[in-house]
Amino acid sequence: GEDVEQSLFLSVREGDSSVINCTYTDSSSTYLYWYKQEPGAGLQLLTYIFSNMDMKQDQRLTVLLNKKDKHLSLRIADTQTGDSAIYFCAASYQKVTFGIGTKLQVIP
Amino acid sequence: SQTIHQWPATLVQPVGSPLSLECTVEGTSNPNLYWYRQAAGRGLQLLFYSVGIGQISSEVPQNLSASRPQDRQFILSSKKLLLSDSGFYLCAWSRQGISNQPQHFGDGTRLSIL
Repeated sequence: GEDVEQSLFLSVREGDSSVINCTYTDSSSTYLYWYKQEPGAGLQLLTYIFSNMDMKQDQRLTVLLNKKDKHLSLRIADTQTGDSAIYFCAASYQKVTFGIGTKLQVIP
Repeated sequence: SQTIHQWPATLVQPVGSPLSLECTVEGTSNPNLYWYRQAAGRGLQLLFYSVGIGQISSEVPQNLSASRPQDRQFILSSKKLLLSDSGFYLCAWSRQGISNQPQHFGDGTRLSIL
């Protein structure tokens, strides 16, 4: 089955850019998602990209997809303290597989 | 617009007691429905999913069960809770009929077993 891997932790200073990386194993994955989970809350869908796209930008968020390397990244520009959360990558072919989540810590 | 509701938000139960967690979706028809458990604030474990009323698929054998008595209602149950059932339970929905639709999550239920 599909495996989705993410680093566990990322620390950045407020105002810097954050880049959260994700790799997946199934080249048939057609949609790739990023979710945000704040403490004690459910997962919020941030953005998603179809596998025939290389990049998608939505305000401060930029998603880059390298389909050859099966690598997905989420860049958050001008990171704010409110961006502190766990970020989940997910890949979808016949079903959705989630990564373990990357905890983003924003230092004021 | 679509909304998903889960309740209760928190629950403290003794070992051996029964459990019923409820999830409802508004603003859509015939959704796919999912129950996940998240242990220690990290990875998601898919427990059950449903593509229609009375249709439940179990991903992990355990002492939990799920039911879908109505189109937009999904219930997670147990007859006798174990300590290992503690965790954060999340319900989610996605659109039926089109593959690879994103899942949308409720706010979760924090379950503590004493």
